[in-house]
Amino acid sequence: GQNIDQPTEMTATEGAIVQINCTYQTSGFNGLFWYQQHAGEAPTFLSYNVLDGLEEKGRFSSFLSRSKGYSYLLLKELQMKDSASYLCAVYNPNDYKLSFGAGTTVTVRA
Amino acid sequence: GAVVSQHPSRVICKSGTSVKIECRSLDFQATTMFWYRQFPKQSLMLMATSNEGSKATYEQGVEKDKFLINHASLTLSTLTVASAHPEDSSFYICSATAGSGGNTIYFGEGSWLTVV
Repeated sequence: GQNIDQPTEMTATEGAIVQINCTYQTSGFNGLFWYQQHAGEAPTFLSYNVLDGLEEKGRFSSFLSRSKGYSYLLLKELQMKDSASYLCAVYNPNDYKLSFGAGTTVTVRA
Repeated sequence: GAVVSQHPSRVICKSGTSVKIECRSLDFQATTMFWYRQFPKQSLMLMATSNEGSKATYEQGVEKDKFLINHASLTLSTLTVASAHPEDSSFYICSATAGSGGNTIYFGEGSWLTVV
């Protein structure tokens, strides 16, 4: 089975940094995705980590530790438009399925 | 531009009628397509896995006679909500994969279904 946990909500101030943690216990693993989803829209791809370590893409960075079943998404220099839900998803290569966490709603305040 | 197109983006139908949602891969052949449902403020829940030329595999608790999935070609999968009821109102999203790597998964734009 799949068990993916992430916090429900986080609030931060414009310009600040926020770290969204995700822990997982899954039957198959071949990478972890982070998606951003604004209300009423489809998810937008942010990052895909297959190997351990930190990957940086502009203001967003994602980290993975496979031995710990842990990942985080780091959002720097927060902007109001970053207010959204952030979904952690684990990819199982055995059936090509993505299993999603419940999502973390990030609210950026002025 | 979008590599997976979903249509319609919004649909309103009367209770008891059927609604069809299309998911197309625009510039690649999708061996597998997935259908998700998302209720407000909840995460994406996988409904079924659709493979071209074979019957869809449904997740536990999803009624296959109500959510009919047809994957007739490598670029098109359809989801038909049969005899829709207000509780079927939701955001339906498809995704398609072009290969076995996780980085080849693409999402459609989603379809809002409202049953009145």
